[in-house]
Amino acid sequence: AIQLTQSPSSLSASVGDRVTISCRASQDIGSALAWYQQKPGKAPKLLIYDASSLQSGVPSKFSGSGSGTDFTLTISSLQPEDFATYYCQQFNSYPLTFGGGTKVEIK
Amino acid sequence: EVQLVESGGGLVQIGGSLRLSCAASGFTVSSNYMTWVRQAPGKGLEWVSIIYSGGSTYYADSVKGRFTISRDDSKNTLLLQMNSLRAEDTAVYYCARSPNWNYVSGFDYWGQGTLLTVSS
Repeated sequence: AIQLTQSPSSLSASVGDRVTISCRASQDIGSALAWYQQKPGKAPKLLIYDASSLQSGVPSKFSGSGSGTDFTLTISSLQPEDFATYYCQQFNSYPLTFGGGTKVEIK
Repeated sequence: EVQLVESGGGLVQIGGSLRLSCAASGFTVSSNYMTWVRQAPGKGLEWVSIIYSGGSTYYADSVKGRFTISRDDSKNTLLLQMNSLRAEDTAVYYCARSPNWNYVSGFDYWGQGTLLTVSS
């Protein structure tokens, strides 16, 4: 199975900060990666698909980049509603796998 | 409006069985790839199973041979039959939809989740 390693596992940031989250795959997955945001007690929300395509309705402050084994989610200017846990997921092969998550907290 | 509503969770004994349902509205379940994802209390997301619009199915190794994903097209509902349940199957179970009929690149609509607790 393809392993996805997210880093950091948690981070503290201030409103207005630029935040980057990394997701590294254990083998080449092309662009078959999505990013989700999850708030406590809620279902995940799709932010990015195909590594860099913005899901409809998602603010443009979210962006994704990368291909192969190294991927990044960037939040350009952190807002209070962005404090949440973020997960990457690969779609290159079965079993589909998620990264361990990155919790973004208020500094 | 697309909606997914899970039901069927609850408390089950180790070794028992349960069937989860995910009622869909606003789209046709059989026209999309549909999936189950679970989240153990305080833990991350774990993919469980997927069913293609054509009927092909795939499973996580942790549930293969014990869980079966299917659809009831007459009710526009996704199902997950879970047998030989273990304590480690305790989780909130989410159903979700891929927006595409022929490939998966992300799951755009999710249900609210249903909690399964497996205990002795």
